[in-house]
Amino acid sequence: DIQMTQSPSSLSASVGDRVTITCRASQGISNYLAWYQQKPGKVPKLLIYAASTLRSGVPSRFSGSGSGTDFTLTISSLQPEDVATYYCQKYNGAPRTFGQGTKVDIK
Amino acid sequence: EVQLVESGGNLIQPGGSLRLSCAASGFTFSSYSMNWVRQAPGKGLEWLSYISSTGNTRYYADSVKGRFTISRDNVKNSLFLQMNSLRDEDTAVYYCARDWSVVADTPFDYWGQGTLVTVSS
Repeated sequence: DIQMTQSPSSLSASVGDRVTITCRASQGISNYLAWYQQKPGKVPKLLIYAASTLRSGVPSRFSGSGSGTDFTLTISSLQPEDVATYYCQKYNGAPRTFGQGTKVDIK
Repeated sequence: EVQLVESGGNLIQPGGSLRLSCAASGFTFSSYSMNWVRQAPGKGLEWLSYISSTGNTRYYADSVKGRFTISRDNVKNSLFLQMNSLRDEDTAVYYCARDWSVVADTPFDYWGQGTLVTVSS
C-alpha cells in the first residue's frame, strides 16, 4: 500500500507568515492528492483537490502544488482562522490513505 | 442541501458488535460512492472503507478487513457499517463521507458530524 507522510507534524507561525506543509507519497499518485482542513472540534473540510485545484469558496491564500510523489500546501499569509490540522489524502484506488496531519497554530 | 447524519455509536465491550448508519439527504444518494472514516481521540483521520454507488465494489483498510462490512440501501438513502469483533483500538468518532463526483477516484466533499464508538470493558 502507498504511504502518505506529512511534514512537519506541527508548526507555529505568526499572523501574516507564509506557511508550507509537505506531503510525500511512497509511490507515484499522479495528481490524485487532496488537502483537508480540520478545525478543533469540527468536521474535516476539503480545501484542494487534484493537487492544486482550489475548491470553490476556499480563500485564495491557500494553494497546492506537486505531482507524482511530492506535494505542498501553502498558506501565503497565515490568518487566525487558519488554526487547524491539515491532512493530505491520496484518493486514487484503495486504500484512500490520509497523511498523519500537520497542526498549525499561531505564535 | 446535502446532509449526512450518522447514528448508532455507543459504548460496547471488546469483542462485541455494532452497526452504524448514515442517513443521506439533499442529493441523489444512489449516484454517489460513499466512505467511512474514523478518528481516534486526539489522533488523525483513518480511511476505513469505500462502497461504489451500486454497492458492487467495496474496499477496506487492512485494520478492519474481515471484521467490518460496509453496505448501503439506495431505496432508504442509507449507508451502513457493521462492526464485529470490536477492539479497544476501534474507539473513535466514525464519519461517513461522500465522494465528490459520480466519476471514479474523487476526494470527499461532504462529511457527517460523526458518531462516537467507545470500546471498553
